[in-house]
Amino acid sequence: AQSVAQPEDQVNVAEGNPLTVKCTYSVSGNPYLFWYVQYPNRGLQFLLKYITGDNLVKGSYGFEAEFNKSQTSFHLKKPSALVSDSALYFCAVRPDNYGQNFVFGPGTRLSVLP
Amino acid sequence: GAGVSQSPSNKVTEKGKDVELRCDPISGHTALYWYRQSLGQGLEFLIYFQGNSAPDKSGLPSDRFSAERTGGSVSTLTIQRTQQEDSAVYLCASSLARGGKISSTGELFFGEGSRLTVL
Repeated sequence: AQSVAQPEDQVNVAEGNPLTVKCTYSVSGNPYLFWYVQYPNRGLQFLLKYITGDNLVKGSYGFEAEFNKSQTSFHLKKPSALVSDSALYFCAVRPDNYGQNFVFGPGTRLSVLP
Repeated sequence: GAGVSQSPSNKVTEKGKDVELRCDPISGHTALYWYRQSLGQGLEFLIYFQGNSAPDKSGLPSDRFSAERTGGSVSTLTIQRTQQEDSAVYLCASSLARGGKISSTGELFFGEGSRLTVL
């Protein structure tokens, strides 16, 4: 069975500092990995994805994520956090065998403090 | 519009009433998903459509919940005899698929959600 873990319910970071939001996964076959962000009272917005190729993926708003196959992780990072980055972040995985559902992690609330 | 459209954006209803939530996916997206999100929580998968058929409806919480999709486009999620625990935001997402299968790079595109409050 597929699963996604986001071990931290809440991450606090000071503005200007680097941020990391952790994600680990379990999936049969090769994973397709995604990060989404949700601002208050909004739907989820796509940030970035890993399909194949370079393990470091760059996405929207200066975010990036690193795929680590041996650790089955796909942590989201940003070198310098902004207050406007404060939101709920979801990691998701989809197996590479077609027709399967997306599995979302429980979400991590990021608070960037001024 | 270019994005996934959901209506109504907010719905307040009385316990025991039926409600219908509508999702209009991005044009050309054949895969459509419904999720439920309780206040500030994670996403609970409800049902997935490929075209007009639903290969995975395992997430529907009870037989009060049903969904249909017609013409491979608009989908309606119906909740009968609503209960207070049905209160949540219902999110719809669509994805591009080719040949009846999800595109290998097919990320989901979400609507803004329908907030349901059952009094």
